[in-house]
Order: sequence, then C-alpha cells, then structure tokens
Amino acid sequence: ILNVEQSPQSLHVQEGDSTNFTCSFPSSNFYALHWYRWETAKSPEALFVMTLNGDEKKKGRISATLNTKEGYSYLYIKGSQPEDSATYLCAPFLTGGGNKLTFGTGTQLKVEL
Amino acid sequence: NAGVTQTPKFRILKIGQSMTLQCTQDMNHNYMYWYRQDPGMGLKLIYYSVGAGITDKGEVPNGYNVSRSTTEDFPLRLELAAPSQTSVYFCASSYSPGAITGELFFGEGSRLTVL
Repeated sequence: ILNVEQSPQSLHVQEGDSTNFTCSFPSSNFYALHWYRWETAKSPEALFVMTLNGDEKKKGRISATLNTKEGYSYLYIKGSQPEDSATYLCAPFLTGGGNKLTFGTGTQLKVEL
Repeated sequence: NAGVTQTPKFRILKIGQSMTLQCTQDMNHNYMYWYRQDPGMGLKLIYYSVGAGITDKGEVPNGYNVSRSTTEDFPLRLELAAPSQTSVYFCASSYSPGAITGELFFGEGSRLTVL
C-alpha cells in the first residue's frame, strides 16, 4: 500500500491569511503528482498535475511546488478567501504502483471572515 | 460536453441485494476509475481500467466487480450488498495520469445506502 501523507489534517485561517499544506510520498518510481480541490457536496476538481523536479505551477492565488528527490509537494494559497474553503487532495502516480493514483486523506481548509 | 456521467445519483439497497452503478465518459479517455468516499478516509480506489478489456483491483475491491467492454463505459457491480458498502461512489476518467494532461475528471457521485 502506497504511503501518501498530507499535513495538516485540517486548518482554520482568517480571510486574507496565506497558508500552505504538505504532501509527502515515496520518491522512488515517481511519474507525476496531482493536486485536487474538493468542495463539500461536489466532485473533486484538478488543480495541477506536476511531473518535473523543481516544477512550480500557479493558478490565480494558488501555487504548488514539487520536490521529487525527497518526495514532497507544497500547496500555497495567498490571501485566503471564504471560497477557498475545501479539502485539498494530493495523489502521486508512481510507475511501481500499478499505473494508478493513490490519494492522500487531504487537508481540510476553512477560511473564516 | 457531458464529461463523466454516473447513474443513479441516489439508491437505497437492502442487505443482500445487488445493483450496478453506471459510468460513462465521452472524452475518449483510456483510464477509468471507481473510488469510494468514506468519512475521514478520503478517496479509496476500488477498481480501475487502463483501456477496454483491461481491469485491475485497487485498494478495496472486495464485494465489487467491474467490466470494461467499451472505452466509454465502466460499470461497477455490487454483489450481495452489505452495510459496509454504504458510501458515496465516484467514477473518474483520464488520459494517462503520468502525463501533464492526465488529470482526473470526476462524475457527480452516487450515494448508496445499504440497510
């Protein structure tokens, strides 16, 4: 079973705060790392797919970095807004993992006014 | 664009009944997946398929079966439903998930209750 860890498990911030989460995964056989945003009562939606060590992706106020050699990725949210409240999931795709994604349990973010 | 369509959206089953959750996608994706969402546990992979005629087990396959006779369809069958199968089920599809364009597209979910 692939060990994907996300921290923290949950986070409460105030509107305007910047925040970041961590995703840790086995570094061997790395192929890609996915980030998803999952709002309550909806389906997960893709934020980023990252493949290269040192890669940095950005979408609006959300950005992510990737370190494949040590097996971690950071997701940053700048100036959090209430609409950013969601669970953020990461999922590595490893070639030794049978060609499937394994999701972490996610970081639940709540942004309060 | 319909994307990934799941039916039914809601279903109540009695213990021991069987049913099939339907999933179809119109994006010509090779990869398709079935996940279940358990409280506090995130998404657990039940079965997946890398192309028509090919299926493989995920983390929690017991009590389920799948088939992939066409690229578009990936039904999930529950045999002898048990209360432990009460969950929200998500179907998803993608190009190769190892590629930059390999993000998963999810259906809206099917909420199943077994009483």
